[in-house]
Amino acid sequence: GNSVTQMEGPVTLSEEAFLTINCTYTATGYPSLFWYVQYPGEGLQLLLKATKADDKGSNKGFEATYRKETTSFHLEKGSVQVSDSAVYFCALSDRWGSGGSNYKLTFGKGTLLTVNP
Amino acid sequence: DTAVSQTPKYLVTQMGNDKSIKCEQNLGHDTMYWYKQDSKKFLKIMFSYNNKELIINETVPNRFSPKSPDKAHLNLHINSLELGDSAVYFCASSQDWNSPLHFGNGTRLTVT
Repeated sequence: GNSVTQMEGPVTLSEEAFLTINCTYTATGYPSLFWYVQYPGEGLQLLLKATKADDKGSNKGFEATYRKETTSFHLEKGSVQVSDSAVYFCALSDRWGSGGSNYKLTFGKGTLLTVNP
Repeated sequence: DTAVSQTPKYLVTQMGNDKSIKCEQNLGHDTMYWYKQDSKKFLKIMFSYNNKELIINETVPNRFSPKSPDKAHLNLHINSLELGDSAVYFCASSQDWNSPLHFGNGTRLTVT
């Protein structure tokens, strides 16, 4: 079945440091890939997405590129802020059934990021 | 207006009790989900409904029974609660497989 593997946390950085959170996936089809962020006490919210190979998703200074050859979707940010402290989830969406009408999102285990001032 | 709302936010109950969590979305989405997040933040899908029809049931015990009276609502009823059911339960909705999920803020269930 489909699966997502992301680097174990926690990750602790100083403000303005460079961030990379690795994510690799296994899928039978051609999934869409997502990064979600969960701030303390809240639900998950979409950070960025990419729907096909070589697409780059970007939002709030974060970027990730859909690499089919390495089955990866690593999250990067050039200069993190204290407000980026959260749990980050890599996820893939795949579909099946007649016309691809059924689909589900499979999540990685999450990576806790703490940014210190 | 809250897009995906679930109630209650907190639920504390004793083993053996039966409880329900309600979820409503006002986004007009066709698909709704229940996810369980454990203490290590791991998210696991439990159920998915598409237009009131059950699509995914991920080996969840029979004690858990989802009910979708219409496509804007997906409630979760849990019978005979056990300690291991303690977790945060998230409701979510989406329009199609390429669209992001919209999550509620979660219901923290504590079974004592």
